[in-house]
Amino acid sequence: SQTIHQWPATLVQPVGSPLSLECTVEGTSNPNLYWYRQAAGRGLQLLFYSVGIGQISSEVPQNLSASRPQDRQFILSSKKLLLSDSGFYLCAWSKPDRVNTEAFFGQGTRLTVV
Amino acid sequence: AQSVAQPEDQVNVAEGNPLTVKCTYSVSGNPYLFWYVQYPNRGLQFLLKYITGDNLVKGSYGFEAEFNKSQTSFHLKKPSALVSDSALYFCAVRPNTNAGKSTFGDGTTLTVKP
Repeated sequence: SQTIHQWPATLVQPVGSPLSLECTVEGTSNPNLYWYRQAAGRGLQLLFYSVGIGQISSEVPQNLSASRPQDRQFILSSKKLLLSDSGFYLCAWSKPDRVNTEAFFGQGTRLTVV
Repeated sequence: AQSVAQPEDQVNVAEGNPLTVKCTYSVSGNPYLFWYVQYPNRGLQFLLKYITGDNLVKGSYGFEAEFNKSQTSFHLKKPSALVSDSALYFCAVRPNTNAGKSTFGDGTTLTVKP
């Protein structure tokens, strides 16, 4: 069966520090991968999605970047965090080449920038 | 552009009563529609989806949803609510094209009181 791992679960970082959140998927090949941010426990904002290694699409220009160094690994990064980067970050995957498939989410990372 | 509206931020029901969480959508072409549930500080879990066929879709934990094309709605329902159903519910839509990405509603908090 497929599983998704996202870590860390919580993170407190000072303003101006770098960020690296990692997400890995097991049990499937060539998944579509997504990074979402959820502010204040409400709606989801799609930040990045990837359909293959090295293929990253950015949905919202901001202080963050994403990379996919391996087929089932998706990394969210920042060189210098801002207070406004605080939020709940969710990684997700969906089956490739199937538009009618649901997304499977990781457990999320609560990021607090202080 | 596609969009999803969940008109109620909060829905309160008594245990044992039926529940409805509303969702309306706007998308070009035929939609794929999804419902997800989120418990505090966790990722989203898939509940059910409408792809094609029968307008009444049954999903996990006794939930069901009815697709109404003329009203562009996809309301989530359950005949008898449980206290454990209390959570944040998200509706999502994506067009049935290869380039389509999901758009999520802002979420509805369901509280079931004993």
